Amino acid sequence: TQLLEQSPQFLSIQEGENLTVYCNSSSVFSSLQWYRQEPGEGPVLLVTVVTGGEVKKLKRLTFQFGDARKDSSLHITAAQPGDTGLYLCAGAVAAGNKLTFGGGTRVLVKP
Amino acid sequence: KAGVTQTPRYLIKTRGQQVTLSCSPISGHRSVSWYQQTPGQGLQFLFEYFSETQRNKGNFPGRFSGRQFSNSRSEMNVSTLELGDSALYLCASSFFSGEKLFFGSGTQLSVL
Repeated sequence: TQLLEQSPQFLSIQEGENLTVYCNSSSVFSSLQWYRQEPGEGPVLLVTVVTGGEVKKLKRLTFQFGDARKDSSLHITAAQPGDTGLYLCAGAVAAGNKLTFGGGTRVLVKP
Repeated sequence: KAGVTQTPRYLIKTRGQQVTLSCSPISGHRSVSWYQQTPGQGLQFLFEYFSETQRNKGNFPGRFSGRQFSNSRSEMNVSTLELGDSALYLCASSFFSGEKLFFGSGTQLSVL
């Protein structure tokens, strides 16, 4: 059982559509990070959220950390083929602890 | 500044052999973590080293081991390879544990 559950596992949409990826846990995290991984490469950090209720925007990507710091979501507006990849959330239950990753959501944006 | 470098990029071994993978972290980073990534299990934490000391360890058998040198470079070793060890092995570095990770491109290990 994953400490962090991501849903959906796979998402296929057309260019221009919106999508949301969820990351849920029964544990409280001191911080939560989102990464994107492309084939043949390691994950690349997109954002870190640390405060309950925090919302961060990165161009067309919006990240939200739940008020209780147990869950997070990633919303992409007007998705583009370049958004295709594996999206991973990762959390640390305390500062200085190892990061635990969710199972990932594979996103395919078709032109 | 140079990113995290992992060598080799690809590796093919047979069952029963052992393998050593290398990771050079970003200059100044003292924490190095290793992860195993497979399609079925996702990204699984192996271990983390900080200043040459193992700080955290995942739930992998003793066949998986690692070490870190004084220059923060790290190696991981897998002995008596099994078919199920076929995976992408990723190394990541950071200033401190739990901080944002910078990943290398990984070593793709195939065990035949």
